[in-house]
Amino acid sequence: GQSLEQPSEVTAVEGAIVQINCTYQTSGFYGLSWYQQHDGGAPTFLSYNALDGLEETGRFSSFLSRSDSYGYLLLQELQMKDSASYFCAVILSGAGSYQLTFGKGTKLSVIP
Amino acid sequence: ETGVTQSPTHLIKTRGQQVTLRCSSQSGHNTVSWYQQALGQGPQFIFQYYREEENGRGNFPPRFSGLQFPNYSSELNVNALELDDSALYLCAARPAANYGYTFGSGTRLTVV
Repeated sequence: GQSLEQPSEVTAVEGAIVQINCTYQTSGFYGLSWYQQHDGGAPTFLSYNALDGLEETGRFSSFLSRSDSYGYLLLQELQMKDSASYFCAVILSGAGSYQLTFGKGTKLSVIP
Repeated sequence: ETGVTQSPTHLIKTRGQQVTLRCSSQSGHNTVSWYQQALGQGPQFIFQYYREEENGRGNFPPRFSGLQFPNYSSELNVNALELDDSALYLCAARPAANYGYTFGSGTRLTVV
């Protein structure tokens, strides 16, 4: 079966750096994505890694190691508005299609 | 038109009834997926459509069905509603060459 593991909750101080890890066990792995979801809101796409290495987009960076079935999301210069749930999601390929499967999410609380 | 639009935003149905949820995405976003998200959980993949054909399905019973139309709109139909079907239903779309999904704000379905 498919499994994605990420911490359920993380608390960090405004201005600090936080790393949210994700490990996966899947078949047909194609890539790793991260999504942000504020309470009551829709998931918002943050990043996508198909190859090993680091992808940087502003304050957010995402890393993938396919050999370790591991990735992380790095948030720098934390702001209060970053308080949200963060989901790692694997893109699985099979039978000519690509599907997105989500983890259970990490609730990030940014405190002053 | 940009983004993904879902309707209605909220819905209350009685157990045993049928419901149709609607989604509209922008031109060129020919892959559309539907997700069920229970409170405090990650989105669960229901099924996916590409160019009006279902090309992926998650672990949901056949009473969950869908359609995609040439105008980039789609529907999720649920028959014989059960109390456990109460959840946020999300529609997500992406263009063929991009693996970042755009999500709608969802339909909050309550089954009583």
